[in-house]
Amino acid sequence: GAVVSQHPSWVICKSGTSVKIECRSLDFQATTMFWYRQFPKQSLMLMATSNEGSKATYEQGVEKDKFLINHASLTLSTLTVTSAHPEDSSFYICRSIGAPNTEAFFGQGTRLTVV
Amino acid sequence: GENVEQHPSTLSVQEGDSAVIKCTYSDSASNYFPWYKQELGKRPQLIIDIRSNVGEKKDQRIAVTLNKTAKHFSLHITETQPEDSAVYFCAARGTGTASKLTFGTGTRLQVTL
Repeated sequence: GAVVSQHPSWVICKSGTSVKIECRSLDFQATTMFWYRQFPKQSLMLMATSNEGSKATYEQGVEKDKFLINHASLTLSTLTVTSAHPEDSSFYICRSIGAPNTEAFFGQGTRLTVV
Repeated sequence: GENVEQHPSTLSVQEGDSAVIKCTYSDSASNYFPWYKQELGKRPQLIIDIRSNVGEKKDQRIAVTLNKTAKHFSLHITETQPEDSAVYFCAARGTGTASKLTFGTGTRLQVTL
């Protein structure tokens, strides 16, 4: 199947710094990207949906100025956690869709720990 | 929006027994229901899915049933093996692959020897 490469797989950062997470679609053009957050022993919660070349649509309760999403090309989408705090520590994972009515694919996920 | 409830939250079965996980959804417009298996620290893996025009689907030891009237769907794993131990999530989605996928709360399945 298609491959979505997410980096880094894990990152530890200091409180107050920013962290960028990348998702690349390696063999298809990702028209839509979903970003999820998963706290330990909890479900995946959708944070935002982005379409290539458009501003992301954020779910209720997700701060758009804190979680910056860029989807400037059909092969790359990024999530930047700005001014990270310990409560932002979580597993962040992208899910990418190419053409309509095709299967969606998850990235490998990024374990973020803010100390 | 869509709300998906999943039960039980934990399930322990002996190797060889069957495991059943149940989900309910709230939005009658949802028409695609996938099931994912997630191992610790890994991405969810799609194991089986069902669309609203089908009542049951089977793939070897895994089967899914859908009752559209009652808005519930279930995952059945037969002849469980230790490697089936993981967290399982159900999900529901509306029309079109670009629609949101809403996940259930997850079931931690433990298959004991």
